[in-house]
Amino acid sequence: GAGVSQSPSNKVTEKGKDVELRCDPISGHTALYWYRQSLGQGLEFLIYFQGNSAPDKSGLPSDRFSAERTGGSVSTLTIQRTQQEDSAVYLCASSPVVRGGEETQYFGPGTRLLVL
Amino acid sequence: AQSVTQLGSHVSVSEGALVLLRCNYSSSVPPYLFWYVQYPNQGLQLLLKYTSAATLVKGINGFEAEFKKSETSFHLTKPSAHMSDAAEYFCAVGNFNKFYFGSGTKLNVKP
Repeated sequence: GAGVSQSPSNKVTEKGKDVELRCDPISGHTALYWYRQSLGQGLEFLIYFQGNSAPDKSGLPSDRFSAERTGGSVSTLTIQRTQQEDSAVYLCASSPVVRGGEETQYFGPGTRLLVL
Repeated sequence: AQSVTQLGSHVSVSEGALVLLRCNYSSSVPPYLFWYVQYPNQGLQLLLKYTSAATLVKGINGFEAEFKKSETSFHLTKPSAHMSDAAEYFCAVGNFNKFYFGSGTKLNVKP
């Protein structure tokens, strides 16, 4: 079956513009996660969804970042007024259930964002 | 606060040699521990995970890891490296629906 897909695969934008990154999880997966991977850094946990609900948004770096999930499926990560430090690879993952941190995550290929 | 430290951003071994990738974590409660692997131009995939059952965990492709609570470690090993093991490896901790990843170790396998 299909894995997690993300679009676009690459995005170049100008500083100050808004961008939307999309994630299509594996069908039927309840949980969805967003991460940011900056050059030479590990994955930074941003937010997770259980169904359409995001119980904890404290991982989002600033109020310029927001995320939503609709229909228990597709999720969109929006970055407003992009800054150069937002340049990174944004990864999405999904899992069948939420299990307090035990769950295996299935990752998408990522969106590489470059802010000029 | 949770954190994960991977010693060595790059590790190079000869084909057939032992692979040892180090991971230490800090956690206020017993964690769930993971190793993920990212092959070139592919997404991360699970290699193995510890969920409080056996402390020695076996994963795919001959890898295994041992949970040592006293050392707060979860090192990844493989007795004999293969060229196909060249990839980036990430250690991660899961707790309360959040996950914390190390910065990764790139494994190079020399013929």
